[in-house]
Parts: sequence; C-alpha cells; structure tokens
Amino acid sequence: DQQVKQNSPSLSVQEGRISILNCDYTNSMFDYFLWYKKYPAEGPTFLISISSIKDKNEDGRFTVFLNKSAKHLSLHIVPSQPGDSAVYFCAAKGGTSYGKLTFGQGTILTVHP
Amino acid sequence: AAGVIQSPRHLIKEKRETATLKCYPIPRHDTVYWYQQGPGQDPQFLISFYEKMQSDKGSIPDRFSAQQFSDYHSELNMSSLELGDSALYFCASSHTGTGAGQPQHFGDGTRLSIL
Repeated sequence: DQQVKQNSPSLSVQEGRISILNCDYTNSMFDYFLWYKKYPAEGPTFLISISSIKDKNEDGRFTVFLNKSAKHLSLHIVPSQPGDSAVYFCAAKGGTSYGKLTFGQGTILTVHP
Repeated sequence: AAGVIQSPRHLIKEKRETATLKCYPIPRHDTVYWYQQGPGQDPQFLISFYEKMQSDKGSIPDRFSAQQFSDYHSELNMSSLELGDSALYFCASSHTGTGAGQPQHFGDGTRLSIL
C-alpha cells in the first residue's frame, strides 16, 4: 500500500527553466511533508518542508505547495541548475506513527545545460 | 556542520552470518531512525529511538534488533542474514524534543551485500 506516490519516475528540464515535481498521498493523517534530494552513493539531503497548516513554503529557489483537499504537493525549482540533477523523494509523517517518514518512489530530475 | 555518521560504508557478509551497523547522530539530536532501501525502491522505515527508548517500529524482521546507547549512538544488529537483506541501510537523526516539525537528517548509508 503506497501511501505516498510520485507518479513521474523521471523529469527532464532545460537549465534556467522551472522544474515541477509532484507528489500525492492517501493518508489524511499526514501533517508534515518533506522533500529530499539524493545523489548516488549519498544519503538523502533535506531540502524543504511544509506543515499541513500551510499551503506554501519558500526557501530560495525551492518552493513547496500543499493542496490538502487534493492530497497533493509539489516542489518547484526556479531556476533549475545542472547541479540540481538528482533523485527527489517526497516524504510524509504524522498519523499514528510519530516521527516515521513514509517515502514516495522518487523522481529522477535531469537538468540539461 | 556535523552530519550523521554511519559505519561501515560497505559490508559484505555471507548467508546466515551476523552484521552490526553503527550510527552516530548529529550532536544534540535525541531521535534516531533506521531505514532500509532495496534496489530501485524507496526507503522503508525499520525502527526509531527517542531518548534511548524505542519510539516506533516498522517492517523490521525479528532477526534484526537495535538499540540506542547513552551517548545517543545507535546500532542495528542483524542475524541469520539472508540474500534479501542486501540493501542500503540509512540512519537518520532529528531533534524531536522541540516538536514534531523537525526534519530528519540522513547519513550516507551502509551498503550491505549478502553473498
């Protein structure tokens, strides 16, 4: 039962353009959402998060949007840079399991120069 | 800034052997989490400890056990290893004491290969 889903396995974007990564969830008890970036042979690196009481959080080039009614969140990267090429994981926590993260399957982002 | 340290980075074992993975959290972090990531899969939660007490348990096999020590480092002990245990094992830490809205920070993982 995949409670967090990233339906796009990969995304290819030109440098300088916007990258939009999407994530859907099914568990309405999730109350905190995070995005992680992962390079090969490294652990996931925390990028940005959002609480369920907000609908937007911005940090530099990264903005996360949350639509609770649709159980959907997205990560916008503007402008995209070649160094952003990595696997991006959406994660959620809350509900009955305090602290545990439930991850999506990941989206491979490739930013072309 | 100090990060989560995991050791060893790579480990090769044979079936039915035992393995111990170690995790040193970020200083002043009070919660440690263990995740398992199989090939082409997303990380799956195994177990977590808050202030040295088990706080949550996920899909951790009975052959595995873990603990958090007085210095907050954690060890994941794996026995009767099976081929299916081959995976990346990540440790993460967070400062939960200030509230649930604290991100987990991950180490670079231990790649366990079972021959």
